[in-house]
Amino acid sequence: DQQVKQNSPSLSVQEGRISILNCDYTNSMFDYFLWYKKYPAEGPTFLISISSIKDKNEDGRFTVFLNKSAKHLSLHIVPSQPGDSAVYFCAALTNSGYALNFGKGTSLLVTP
Amino acid sequence: DVKVTQSSRYLVKRTGEKVFLECVQDMDHENMFWYRQDPGLGLRLIYFSYDVKMKEKGDIPEGYSVSREKKERFSLILESASTNQTSMYLCASSSFGFLGYTFGSGTRLTVV
Repeated sequence: DQQVKQNSPSLSVQEGRISILNCDYTNSMFDYFLWYKKYPAEGPTFLISISSIKDKNEDGRFTVFLNKSAKHLSLHIVPSQPGDSAVYFCAALTNSGYALNFGKGTSLLVTP
Repeated sequence: DVKVTQSSRYLVKRTGEKVFLECVQDMDHENMFWYRQDPGLGLRLIYFSYDVKMKEKGDIPEGYSVSREKKERFSLILESASTNQTSMYLCASSSFGFLGYTFGSGTRLTVV
């Protein structure tokens, strides 16, 4: 059963605008959440993470928001750039776990 | 530059063949993982290992086995390849106390 869900398979945004990628989870034991970015024919690369004790984490153009009561997190990219076009995976981990649980991914296309 | 190296970028094998996918990391990480990525299904965990000679099943271990004889090397074995094992295979490693993974570039396996 999928514990991390990304319900939007794809998203198209104009360059310069905000991209918002959403992720929901079902396991209340998850303590850490991460976003990975993947280009075709490459392995995923780490983008940003957030601990469950926080509700926001920023790194440059990327901000992750966590709403624990709703079991929801989102990744905001502002401003979006064509180079941001990739598949974005949401992932989660419990405090005692080894392996990340990944969502199915959202394919982001940023158009000029 | 630290890295996870997967021995082949592309492989074509015949149905029924025994297939070995090799992964080597140079970061002295304790944990190593094998995932497969399929369109619409995201990243699914096949097996992972948290120590030499230790292995744990992930979500989809059927048809696969693994070997970890040395800390830096984690092998995925397809005992008898089938066409439904055509996929992108991703190896990753992580260290205790560090939440994120480092991924390899992936092996695109086609079983004909």
